[in-house]
Amino acid sequence: GAGVSQSPSNKVTEKGKDVELRCDPISGHTALYWYRQSLGQGLEFLIYFQGNSAPDKSGLPSDRFSAERTGGSVSTLTIQRTEQRDSAMYRCASSFRGTGELFFGEGSRLTVL
Amino acid sequence: ILNVEQSPQSLHVQEGDSTNFTCSFPSSNFYALHWYRWETAKSPEALFVMTLNGDEKKKGRISATLNTKEGYSYLYIKGSQPEDSATYLCASASGGSYIPTFGRGTSLIVHP
Repeated sequence: GAGVSQSPSNKVTEKGKDVELRCDPISGHTALYWYRQSLGQGLEFLIYFQGNSAPDKSGLPSDRFSAERTGGSVSTLTIQRTEQRDSAMYRCASSFRGTGELFFGEGSRLTVL
Repeated sequence: ILNVEQSPQSLHVQEGDSTNFTCSFPSSNFYALHWYRWETAKSPEALFVMTLNGDEKKKGRISATLNTKEGYSYLYIKGSQPEDSATYLCASASGGSYIPTFGRGTSLIVHP
């Protein structure tokens, strides 16, 4: 595709359920980032993948959050046992290299009831 | 954790005014400084990525400068137009990490 694709665009779930958010980066981009934007907050870093290196998980807020990137391409962010405070816009971005400009997807809006 | 600060938080100007915003960031182990333009209900789009001290970048009426030794960058908009209304984000990759840390942004509103 031409840009970074995220799905679903909107997800409403009940507290305690697990959710998966998907990101399909631009082809050839080795770096992939997940950020979270909570209401009234800026972009908060969650996790970073670079090529085949071990991901930088330093931004994940709890062990309920995990992410994987299969084959160096598509990434899935999983939130287990969702809580209302997890409600936010989750944005994925990719870049050609570690210090290159980020290309953002349209985001996945998560609402936990 | 890096601390990227942007000022002012918001700015209202009249069409035709020139304006500028500030981004300050930790200067140690610097890799890159990014500027993004973020329109409401859209995704952030890159304006500039700067890596060298003294870098100056320009795109149309928008330009940016970088001082890595003192840890600040300025974004300038010359002759603001209503379509320039957006939030302008800066992000710094430094401290040994390639991961851009974002500031809270400057919200610009240009009145016709």
